[in-house]
Amino acid sequence: VQLVESGGGLLQPGGSLRLSCAVSGLTLRSHAMSWVRQPPGKGLEWVSGISGDGGSIYYTDSVKGRFTISRDNSKNMLFLQMNSLRAEDTAVYYCATQRSAYNNAFDFWGQGTMVTVSS
Amino acid sequence: QSVLTQPPSASGTPGQRVTISCSGSSSNIGSNFVFWYQQLPGTAPKLLIYRSNQRPSGVPDRFSGSKSGTSASLAIGGLRSEDEADYYCAAWDDRQSVWVFGGGTKLTVL
Repeated sequence: VQLVESGGGLLQPGGSLRLSCAVSGLTLRSHAMSWVRQPPGKGLEWVSGISGDGGSIYYTDSVKGRFTISRDNSKNMLFLQMNSLRAEDTAVYYCATQRSAYNNAFDFWGQGTMVTVSS
Repeated sequence: QSVLTQPPSASGTPGQRVTISCSGSSSNIGSNFVFWYQQLPGTAPKLLIYRSNQRPSGVPDRFSGSKSGTSASLAIGGLRSEDEADYYCAAWDDRQSVWVFGGGTKLTVL
């Protein structure tokens, strides 16, 4: 199983960015997935999660109304649309699978993509 | 400030047994499984313990997890230099409908 994130970069406050996560070696439609971020030198923070069929979506309070998670099971892809970005959104963003066999633990992780929000 | 509380640091000498605690509340640890992740320097986190006390295949049995009430613990026996990493606990929080993490514990092998 391999997860590869892309789409990170440097942008100014108020800007937008779309992160992508390509998954191989796993049938994505069967599994929930999440985005987890880690600010430089700090701990892990769960950002958003989506069920296997996309019918259930969750967000942490700090990104509600600004971030949108989505998935394309036909292409084994996960996305995170990030709008109205703030300096505090600066972090490495990881995508992770959540297989029910592991009680929805974050069992496979990508290598992460860096998002830097700075003027 | 993290919802789950972990000590910021822990240490031990090779061969020792070290325990890392994780404290939460009735809406997270008290009513759901606890998960533990290991993050080696410069790498993505790795699942270490699921369902509070189960190890995925490939994780050595030196690593064990337990849960009691609103607290959980990760024990590492026969400490090795390669265990030097950051360790995070996590659980689903029913009240907020979010996943919550501990602040992480940096383990140093002396």
